[in-house]
Amino acid sequence: KQEVTQIPAALSVPEGENLVLNCSFTDSAIYNLQWFRQDPGKGLTSLLLIQSSQREQTSGRLNASLDKSSGRSTLYIAASQPGDSATYLCAVGPNAGNMLTFGGGTRLMVKP
Amino acid sequence: EPEVTQTPSHQVTQMGQEVILRCVPISNHLYFYWYRQILGQKVEFLVSFYNNEISEKSEIFDDQFSVERPDGSNFTLKIRSTKLEDSAMYFCASSRNGIYGYTFGSGTRLTVV
Repeated sequence: KQEVTQIPAALSVPEGENLVLNCSFTDSAIYNLQWFRQDPGKGLTSLLLIQSSQREQTSGRLNASLDKSSGRSTLYIAASQPGDSATYLCAVGPNAGNMLTFGGGTRLMVKP
Repeated sequence: EPEVTQTPSHQVTQMGQEVILRCVPISNHLYFYWYRQILGQKVEFLVSFYNNEISEKSEIFDDQFSVERPDGSNFTLKIRSTKLEDSAMYFCASSRNGIYGYTFGSGTRLTVV
């Protein structure tokens, strides 16, 4: 059974710092990995999707990498801003169209 | 930008009552999903739906749960007899082809009292 773990569970940084969020998964037979942002009491916003054949994806100040063989992904946030404060979730999918398995999230607070 | 719409945003129901949670997926999407998140816990998969039938379901999705796409636009989750432990945020999601990721709705917070 796939298990997804995110470290750290919570992170507080001053504005402007570059930071790395980690995600690990136990079964490397994944189809894709997706990073989401969740604001308190809200839905999930997709940030980046990495297919299993890809190594990384970038969107603005966000960069996600995937090392499938070691079961790891990282989300790099450059020049963090208070508006980045949210919970960041990673999720892996075993096959196209099938269920996602989520990690527990990293709760990020960026202080002005 | 296209959205997945969920209604209601918050529902309170008494234990034992039936509830129907409604979702309007993105119009050209073919895969539909329900997930739930109990407060403080991980987001958990419930069920996926493709080509008018359930394609996968989790252990959580027992006989008390059912899904339906009644009219080609709505996608509903029914809980027949709610329990206290069904209290959670329920998310609907859709995907165009299951490859390019998901779009989630903003969720329905279900409170069973």
